[in-house]
Amino acid sequence: KAGVTQTPRYLIKTRGQQVTLSCSPISGHRSVSWYQQTPGQGLQFLFEYFSETQRNKGNFPGRFSGRQFSNSRSEMNVSTLELGDSALYLCASSLASGSSTDTQYFGPGTRLTVL
Amino acid sequence: DAKTTQPPSMDCAEGRAANLPCNHSTISGNEYVYWYRQIHSQGPQYIIHGLKNNETNEMASLIITEDRKSSTLILPHATLRDTAVYYCIVRAFSNSGYALNFGKGTSLLVTP
Repeated sequence: KAGVTQTPRYLIKTRGQQVTLSCSPISGHRSVSWYQQTPGQGLQFLFEYFSETQRNKGNFPGRFSGRQFSNSRSEMNVSTLELGDSALYLCASSLASGSSTDTQYFGPGTRLTVL
Repeated sequence: DAKTTQPPSMDCAEGRAANLPCNHSTISGNEYVYWYRQIHSQGPQYIIHGLKNNETNEMASLIITEDRKSSTLILPHATLRDTAVYYCIVRAFSNSGYALNFGKGTSLLVTP
C-alpha cells in the first residue's frame, strides 16, 4: 500500500505570496493532519480534517488554512507569506476508525523556503 | 495531554541495545504512550504505542512501568540507520481527532 504523498517536495516563494501544498493520504485513511516543523519551534500541529471538515486546530494565524476533498486528499494554503513561514510542512493520515490501535502515518514533507 | 520528559541526546554503539527513557509522571488512565522517530529532514515514522502492557513489534519494544509514570523504548540491536530523533508522546485515545504534541525528543546517535 502506498504511503502518504506530498507535493511539491520543495518550494521557494517570496514574501507576500501565497502557497498551496497538497497531501494524498494512505488509501482508506479518512483523517488528514498538518504539522509545521521549524528549528526554533519544533513540530507543531496546524489542523486536522476528517470527512471534509476541520476537526481540530492548532494555534496558528488565519493565514494558514486547509481543506479536504471527498476522496480524503487535502490541501493546505498559506497566504501573505512571511519569512518565518519557512519550514518543513508535514502531512499525516490515519484511518480514524475509532480503534485505540489507530495511529498517524506521516508523509515526507514539503520544504518551503520564503525569501 | 500529559507532558513528557526525555534526555536531549544519547549515544549507542552499533549492535548494542538502545534504551530510550521517557518520563510521563502526569499521565492519565486513558492516555497511551506513543513513540515516533524522525531521521533528518524526513517525516516522522511511527514506531510503537501502548497503554499499560509491554508491547513489541518488528522495530522495537516498549516497556511501561507498573505505575505508568515512565517508559522505555528498546531498539534491541541498534544500527547506524537508527540514528534519529526519537519522540515520546502521551495521548488520550479519542474519537474527536488527532493533535500529536511533539516535544523536543531524544537525539540518538548510533556509532560504529
